[in-house]
Amino acid sequence: QQQVKQSPQSLIVQKGGISIINCAYENTAFDYFPWYQQFPGKGPALLIAIRPDVSEKKEGRFTISFNKSAKQFSLHIMDSQPGDSATYFCAASPRNTGTASKLTFGTGTRLQVTL
Amino acid sequence: NAGVTQTPKFRILKIGQSMTLQCTQDMNHNYMYWYRQDPGMGLKLIYYSVGAGITDKGEVPNGYNVSRSTTEDFPLRLELAAPSQTSVYFCASSLDPLTSPLHFGNGTRLTVT
Repeated sequence: QQQVKQSPQSLIVQKGGISIINCAYENTAFDYFPWYQQFPGKGPALLIAIRPDVSEKKEGRFTISFNKSAKQFSLHIMDSQPGDSATYFCAASPRNTGTASKLTFGTGTRLQVTL
Repeated sequence: NAGVTQTPKFRILKIGQSMTLQCTQDMNHNYMYWYRQDPGMGLKLIYYSVGAGITDKGEVPNGYNVSRSTTEDFPLRLELAAPSQTSVYFCASSLDPLTSPLHFGNGTRLTVT
């Protein structure tokens, strides 16, 4: 079953703290793992993505950690800011999907960063 | 560039009515997608297209139809609206699904009563 399980459903973090969102998958054919960020009233936008040939990818304050053997990946937001308050979706897709890549999305995490 | 444009932003339908959600992109992307987003459920793929004249079903296609007569446009049709179709609908496009991200529109919030 192509499924991506995301937790927690919601998260409150103080400004300057670390936000951590976790995802787990079942399909071993998945080999592309993006994270999307969505602000209220807007569509999701790609934040950062990783492929399983590396265990970590960092872009500014955002880091993806990937554990292939456990089939888990997580998003870490360092020095969280109020502007990071948004809903975050993890996703996964296999490379060889025929004519189109079809991302399977997690259920989303609503992050609130307080002052 | 405008990116992906969806219209309308909001719509209220009565049960049994029909409507078309419009989506157009100006990035010359071949791949286009329709998703629905329900609270706590993430994004579910309704239909997708790999180019003009080619469409295929996603995870939740029942009650919807699509067409792709041009590269730019990918409208989603609801023929007999049902309360279960109350959702936020997102259109997205991509240059190459294996190497480039999805570009989403800002969504259409649809309520069926």
